Amino acid sequence: DVKVTQSSRYLVKRTGEKVFLECVQDMDHENMFWYRQDPGLGLRLIYFSYDVKMKEKGDIPEGYSVSREKKERFSLILESASTNQTSMYLCASFNPTNEKLFFGSGTQLSVL
Amino acid sequence: DQQVKQNSPSLSVQEGRISILNCDYTNSMFDYFLWYKKYPAEGPTFLISISSIKDKNEDGRFTVFLNKSAKHLSLHIVPSQPGDSAVYFCAASNQAGTALIFGKGTTLSVSS
Repeated sequence: DVKVTQSSRYLVKRTGEKVFLECVQDMDHENMFWYRQDPGLGLRLIYFSYDVKMKEKGDIPEGYSVSREKKERFSLILESASTNQTSMYLCASFNPTNEKLFFGSGTQLSVL
Repeated sequence: DQQVKQNSPSLSVQEGRISILNCDYTNSMFDYFLWYKKYPAEGPTFLISISSIKDKNEDGRFTVFLNKSAKHLSLHIVPSQPGDSAVYFCAASNQAGTALIFGKGTTLSVSS
């Protein structure tokens, strides 16, 4: 089955720090996504990418950027972390064969 | 404005009974719908999907019904089991593989 790996399960950062969240998938998928999950708000799309060096803004891109230099890796960057970016961050990869979206285990980020 | 709505934040059901989780959407361009299940501290896992050309899709204990005219879909779990206790997210897109829009989720509790 598809494996989507997020480099950290838990992360604690200080306000103003630059934060990198890494996501790697092992199935040569083209479409990858970054969501954040907050209580009462569900999953909200931050950014997505359909191919290397391509990126599209989702519903809440403010304060974030992304990098897709290689097909297997999709990075989410918090340019200057703020406390309202404390959240569970979920990376996903789309398998066109069975039309399923596979999620990583998530990174719980706390910004102090 | 929310394009995918799960109006019940929580649902409690006894083991063996049917669980019915509901989802409404506003965008008539959506033609691909999915349900995801999420346990605490884990990423969402795919449960079942349905495309707009169908009105029903079954997979074991799980059945999804789609009513396009009402812009409504529902997930039926029969019989419900304690292990089904989780947060269930409804999601939609206008084409498989494109960005999914998620609802806020419904927390299902199945008691034994």
